[in-house]
Amino acid sequence: AQSVTQLGSHVSVSEGALVLLRCNYSSSVPPYLFWYVQYPNQGLQLLLKYTSAATLVKGINGFEAEFKKSETSFHLTKPSAHMSDAAEYFCAVSPGGQNFVFGPGTRLSVLP
Amino acid sequence: DTGVSQDPRHKITKRGQNVTFRCDPISEHNRLYWYRQTLGQGPEFLTYFQNEAQLEKSRLLSDRFSAERPKGSFSTLEIQRTEQGDSAMYLCASSTQGFTDTQYFGPGTRLTVL
Repeated sequence: AQSVTQLGSHVSVSEGALVLLRCNYSSSVPPYLFWYVQYPNQGLQLLLKYTSAATLVKGINGFEAEFKKSETSFHLTKPSAHMSDAAEYFCAVSPGGQNFVFGPGTRLSVLP
Repeated sequence: DTGVSQDPRHKITKRGQNVTFRCDPISEHNRLYWYRQTLGQGPEFLTYFQNEAQLEKSRLLSDRFSAERPKGSFSTLEIQRTEQGDSAMYLCASSTQGFTDTQYFGPGTRLTVL
């Protein structure tokens, strides 16, 4: 069965530091991969998605993620954290486009 | 494009009562999804519609749950004989086509069962 794991339920970084949020997936068919963000008291919104084109995907707000098939990973990065990046981040997989599974989420805190 | 809306935003009910939630998707979107999110967890897929047809139901959706999307527009999710374990945030999302498309989420309905 397909699944998503996100290492670290809570990650804290200093403002200006690198943000790295980890995501590993399992899928028996080629996956489509997504990162969604949930700001406090707001609905989920798409940050970026991988749909079998370029393996390095750029998203909104300076975030990017790299699909690594050999590692079954899709880690999210941002070179320099901003206070406004504090939110809950969810990785998700759609195996072959047939269904949709979210990971448990990682809460990002940005310290001044 | 006014986004996905959900009503009510909050619902408090007593165990055993029935509740109904409404979702209005983005008007041109054919797909509509329902998810449940409990505290500290990611959203869990419940069911989805392609226009008015309900195409898949998760095993999480017991017989007490029913969803409809008449005329392929808004959707309702009803929970009968609510239990305390039903307390969660219920999220609705819509997209133009399938699971590979961007899903646009509503703000959710928070259900508390006393």
